[in-house]
Amino acid sequence: GEDVEQSLFLSVREGDSSVINCTYTDSSSTYLYWYKQEPGAGLQLLTYIFSNMDMKQDQRLTVLLNKKDKHLSLRIADTQTGDSAIYFCAVYSSASKIIFGSGTRLSIRP
Amino acid sequence: DAGVTQSPTHLIKTRGQHVTLRCSPISGHKSVSWYQQVLGQGPQFIFQYYEKEERGRGNFPDRFSARQFPNYSSELNVNALLLGDSALYLCASSLAGGANVLTFGAGSRLTVL
Repeated sequence: GEDVEQSLFLSVREGDSSVINCTYTDSSSTYLYWYKQEPGAGLQLLTYIFSNMDMKQDQRLTVLLNKKDKHLSLRIADTQTGDSAIYFCAVYSSASKIIFGSGTRLSIRP
Repeated sequence: DAGVTQSPTHLIKTRGQHVTLRCSPISGHKSVSWYQQVLGQGPQFIFQYYEKEERGRGNFPDRFSARQFPNYSSELNVNALLLGDSALYLCASSLAGGANVLTFGAGSRLTVL
């Protein structure tokens, strides 16, 4: 069935770049997303990319899509303490549903 | 403009009880989706409604039901609550029926004792 996998934890030093990786199984996914969730809060859509794109950049965020390997990544440049959160990779599936990974907890070291 | 609003924000129920969660979409959005997020996991799709009709259903038992009203707000109902139903229930709205760009509310945290 459809599956989205991502590593559980990532720790980076403040000011460095963070790269969060994700793999998915559904090759027909048309939209691929990155969401951010802070403690006790709902999900915030950070960015999304269409399946016919390879890259999308939005300020400090860069999304790379490798459709052949079904690999999606999110790069956060100049990581700040406010970037500490759980980041969810997600893909749009059939029947109006979005499939989420289990989330990557990003922690920032001073 | 108000975002997606959900109520209640927190509630505690006991096993066997029933719960109703409510959601108001962003003004102009006609589609509402419901997701369940168990602690430590990603959200799981429960339902999607567009123009008051069910457009999608996830792999949840019949104890879960939902509806959408003429003003596009929505209710999620869960009967015969189990301990495993404890979770954050997220509502999301979108402009179109495809529900492919979602704006989420802050969620309703349900604890079943």
